[in-house]
Amino acid sequence: ETGVTQSPTHLIKTRGQQVTLRCSSQSGHNTVSWYQQALGQGPQFIFQYYREEENGRGNFPPRFSGLQFPNYSSELNVNALELDDSALYLCASSGTSGRPNEQFFGPGTRLTVL
Amino acid sequence: GEDVEQSLFLSVREGDSSVINCTYTDSSSTYLYWYKQEPGAGLQLLTYIFSNMDMKQDQRLTVLLNKKDKHLSLRIADTQTGDSAIYFCAEKDSGYSTLTFGKGTMLLVSP
Repeated sequence: ETGVTQSPTHLIKTRGQQVTLRCSSQSGHNTVSWYQQALGQGPQFIFQYYREEENGRGNFPPRFSGLQFPNYSSELNVNALELDDSALYLCASSGTSGRPNEQFFGPGTRLTVL
Repeated sequence: GEDVEQSLFLSVREGDSSVINCTYTDSSSTYLYWYKQEPGAGLQLLTYIFSNMDMKQDQRLTVLLNKKDKHLSLRIADTQTGDSAIYFCAEKDSGYSTLTFGKGTMLLVSP
């Protein structure tokens, strides 16, 4: 059973640029959630995808968008980057069978916006 | 709104027990979680408890839930230096399967 993987591990961008982060869910999981973790803070929910549809969204502006693919992998896109977008972006996957109440996190992508 | 509060720092000696506390406000919480985060890493699920339970034990970990007071605690028995990390409490509401996290408690274990 493979765990949740994310790419890239680190990324440096400048203000105004766009970025795409990727996540492969744990095998057998059909739900992917994205979280933003600023330095010294707990993760904040961005949105969740279930079977390729957005299934809930946190308090983030529309320039944060996402996709989920038929193999349940997912992308997080952020347009018009701002300095405050610098954070660790975490992806978590969960499934509806087996242990549906468990969310497993990937190692994260550290985004730095200059 | 939903809010999860944790104390920010705890220091213990190796071999002692550690108790990390958490309070939450959402009365519709269904599950409550403890995650561990080591420096530069993602979150590792340690354990979780269903909201109609009072206690759950898993090896060195004991979770206590006081639903009336909306208080959750994690006890780590025989704490080791490898337990040094940030511990996050999180709740899941009855709607979407999303988690609301506290700011984390940094546990420092000294030899």
